[in-house]
Amino acid sequence: AQSVAQPEDQVNVAEGNPLTVKCTYSVSGNPYLFWYVQYPNRGLQFLLKYITGDNLVKGSYGFEAEFNKSQTSFHLKKPSALVSDSALYFCAVRDILTGGFKTIFGAGTRLFVKA
Amino acid sequence: GAGVSQSPSNKVTEKGKDVELRCDPISGHTALYWYRQSLGQGLEFLIYFQGNSAPDKSGLPSDRFSAERTGGSVSTLTIQRTQQEDSAVYLCASSLEAGPGNQPQHFGDGTRLSIL
Repeated sequence: AQSVAQPEDQVNVAEGNPLTVKCTYSVSGNPYLFWYVQYPNRGLQFLLKYITGDNLVKGSYGFEAEFNKSQTSFHLKKPSALVSDSALYFCAVRDILTGGFKTIFGAGTRLFVKA
Repeated sequence: GAGVSQSPSNKVTEKGKDVELRCDPISGHTALYWYRQSLGQGLEFLIYFQGNSAPDKSGLPSDRFSAERTGGSVSTLTIQRTQQEDSAVYLCASSLEAGPGNQPQHFGDGTRLSIL
């Protein structure tokens, strides 16, 4: 069965500094990996995904993520944080081989960007 | 265009009552998912429907929970004999899955369920 872990409940960064939100996963086959963001009192919004190909994927709002198969990680990054990036971030994984379209989400990481 | 619509946005009910939560997916989306998000917690997978295939119900927490999807579109999540631990935000999502299952999900704003 697939699983995903977000080891940090909260990440604090200063505006203008780079940010990283960590995610590790476990699947039997090849993973499909996703990042979503949830702003206060709103539903989740898709940021980016890794399916195959280049390990570095770029997504919305200047975010990117790096797939690392040997470390089974898919960390979310942004070179320069904005106060408006403050939100709850979720990593998610699918294992099509064993789980079909079932998508497992991490517990979420709350990002605070201070001006 | 229209996104995923969930109703009601808020529901308060007494313990022991049955509740129905509705989800209207994006038109043409073949896959529909239900999740539960408890206060301060992540998303807990409940069930998904994909096309005409049998739904994956592996995340439903008890037999008090059930869901159906009529005509490949609207879905209803039903909770019978509600308990206080059922209080949470119930999120619905849909995606257009034409093949390998690599499409992102589009989420509704959720139904906030409070059991008194």
